[in-house]
Amino acid sequence: DVKVTQSSRYLVKRTGEKVFLECVQDMDHENMFWYRQDPGLGLRLIYFSYDVKMKEKGDIPEGYSVSREKKERFSLILESASTNQTSMYLCASSLKALAGVLFFGPGTRLTVL
Amino acid sequence: GEDVEQSLFLSVREGDSSVINCTYTDSSSTYLYWYKQEPGAGLQLLTYIFSNMDMKQDQRLTVLLNKKDKHLSLRIADTQTGDSAIYFCAESTMSASKIIFGSGTRLSIRP
Repeated sequence: DVKVTQSSRYLVKRTGEKVFLECVQDMDHENMFWYRQDPGLGLRLIYFSYDVKMKEKGDIPEGYSVSREKKERFSLILESASTNQTSMYLCASSLKALAGVLFFGPGTRLTVL
Repeated sequence: GEDVEQSLFLSVREGDSSVINCTYTDSSSTYLYWYKQEPGAGLQLLTYIFSNMDMKQDQRLTVLLNKKDKHLSLRIADTQTGDSAIYFCAESTMSASKIIFGSGTRLSIRP
């Protein structure tokens, strides 16, 4: 069974902390994505990667960075967490040939106090 | 830029059909998708349709595409309580490495 896993389901951090969200997929997918989901705003793309060590900014990259050192792992980093980064974070992956067929992880609900 | 729009809420009686509508702006869209998100979970692909198709049916689900009006709909026949979820419409082009999501329609089922 194909899988995308995220390191935490729930996370509580303090303002100014550095936060790491990890995502791993076992499907040998080329593409990986980080979205945040907020009520009424749908999914907004933060960053995506179409290959190891490659990254592209999405629609809302400010305040975030990413790392993709291995094909199966895509990390989202909040350098200095702020309260407006409280959100649900969703990781997804897809094949290069069918980029829109996304497989999502269960999400990490991050609260920044 | 590209945009995908959906209404935010839909309430349907159990056993009736649900119709969730979506409009998109990118005329070069090649694929159109419906994703489902159950409470506390990530999104799951329900179905997708190529832009050269008008309709796709899969058990209780029927997708209709009106390419001229850039309108996509998802019909769920005999709606059940397990269909309660948020439904996202999305589109992508052949060359795009990312897809554009709508804001999601929350489907609630009343007895």
